[in-house]
Amino acid sequence: EPEVTQTPSHQVTQMGQEVILRCVPISNHLYFYWYRQILGQKVEFLVSFYNNEISEKSEIFDDQFSVERPDGSNFTLKIRSTKLEDSAMYFCASSGFLRGGVKQPQHFGDGTRLSIL
Amino acid sequence: AQKITQTQPGMFVQEKEAVTLDCTYDTSDQSYGLFWYKQPSSGEMIFLIYQGSYDEQNATEGRYSLNFQKARKSANLVISASQLGDSAMYFCAMSRMNRDDKIIFGKGTRLHILP
Repeated sequence: EPEVTQTPSHQVTQMGQEVILRCVPISNHLYFYWYRQILGQKVEFLVSFYNNEISEKSEIFDDQFSVERPDGSNFTLKIRSTKLEDSAMYFCASSGFLRGGVKQPQHFGDGTRLSIL
Repeated sequence: AQKITQTQPGMFVQEKEAVTLDCTYDTSDQSYGLFWYKQPSSGEMIFLIYQGSYDEQNATEGRYSLNFQKARKSANLVISASQLGDSAMYFCAMSRMNRDDKIIFGKGTRLHILP
């Protein structure tokens, strides 16, 4: 079964450094998402992306964050100047449509655990 | 705004028993989807089951079923014949049925299956 792939599985970065989290969505999916889960808390929406532009972003997704689909397969989340509070699990998700136009549930990657020192 | 409430922070259940995880939701939308995800200790998010707001039948996927009571705005997950491998965090979630809408998650219920 096709799956969403995220790399790396764990990233350790010094505070203030830039980090790029990578995702390969399921190949025929058109909608892409990033979520974040701070340790012990619920999963929070960051941003959705469709047709090469941001569809919606949350309050968390401020100017230090950006997303990009640099080619036909990758979807990246960049954090420009990391802070201690950016430490979290970051999930990429993608979705598409079944025949008949029924929206598919979002499929999540296994996540990247980001640790800011 | 949409909201998901899971009132059980933790549950302990004997192996092979059925378990019900509670979920209530709030939304003003007419068309929405309800989801359950499982998160083992390894951290990944595993999709379990989906219920559309217009679906008349309760969704079932193997040992998982979703007890959807629209008037009460509840979407409880029922796991039949629980197994040790079911020990995990379970999140109830919802989204509008727009083409690209975000998922809103509850705080989760940590399920422990006892041998």
